[in-house]
Amino acid sequence: QKEVEQDPGPLSVPEGAIVSLNCTYSNSAFQYFMWYRQYSRKGPELLMYTYSSGNKEDGRFTAQVDKSSKYISLFIRDSQPSDSATYLCAMSGNLEAAGNKLTFGGGTRVLVKP
Amino acid sequence: DAGVIQSPRHEVTEMGQEVTLRCKPISGHDYLFWYRQTMMRGLELLIYFNNNVPIDDSGMPEDRFSAKMPNASFSTLKIQPSEPRDSAVYFCASTLFDGGPPNEQFFGPGTRLTVL
Repeated sequence: QKEVEQDPGPLSVPEGAIVSLNCTYSNSAFQYFMWYRQYSRKGPELLMYTYSSGNKEDGRFTAQVDKSSKYISLFIRDSQPSDSATYLCAMSGNLEAAGNKLTFGGGTRVLVKP
Repeated sequence: DAGVIQSPRHEVTEMGQEVTLRCKPISGHDYLFWYRQTMMRGLELLIYFNNNVPIDDSGMPEDRFSAKMPNASFSTLKIQPSEPRDSAVYFCASTLFDGGPPNEQFFGPGTRLTVL
């Protein structure tokens, strides 16, 4: 079983809908949680990060972490065709001890239809 | 800054040939990571360096794979001999550890490797 599980999708939604993405993990040492966005034939780019449990909002994006359930989510409100991409969750424990190493989920492909 | 630079962008080779992938990290970054991405296995960490020193190579699949970082501005990933199952997109990423989050890794555009 992988340390970080993520549904590969694809997830197809109409423009303007809310996109809901999530990851589950097994390592209780993880405390930094990130979402990367990867457009087709490009490298991943950091979208958002959160530390420990709680919510974080940035424009149309909201990241949630529930450490008790080992479950993280990303919501995209008012989705746009430009949001069509693969979204990867990534996690890390203590940054210095982990050597800045991230563990990635497999990614969920999202398609927002006009 | 130009970002992380990788070359070549595409590589097509025949089974048994040696393949060398190249990476130039962002200037001033002290960590460099090599990843491999496939549909089946997602994004896998192969090896990473801190200040040019390999720290963790547990993700390197076999002895056919080797990586070097002779200086702070250059790294190579070599596959010898290559096999069809090595076909994937190989990413290089770099980051600067400043003691705090978000520990953002900056990825290059990747090298798409096809081994026939």
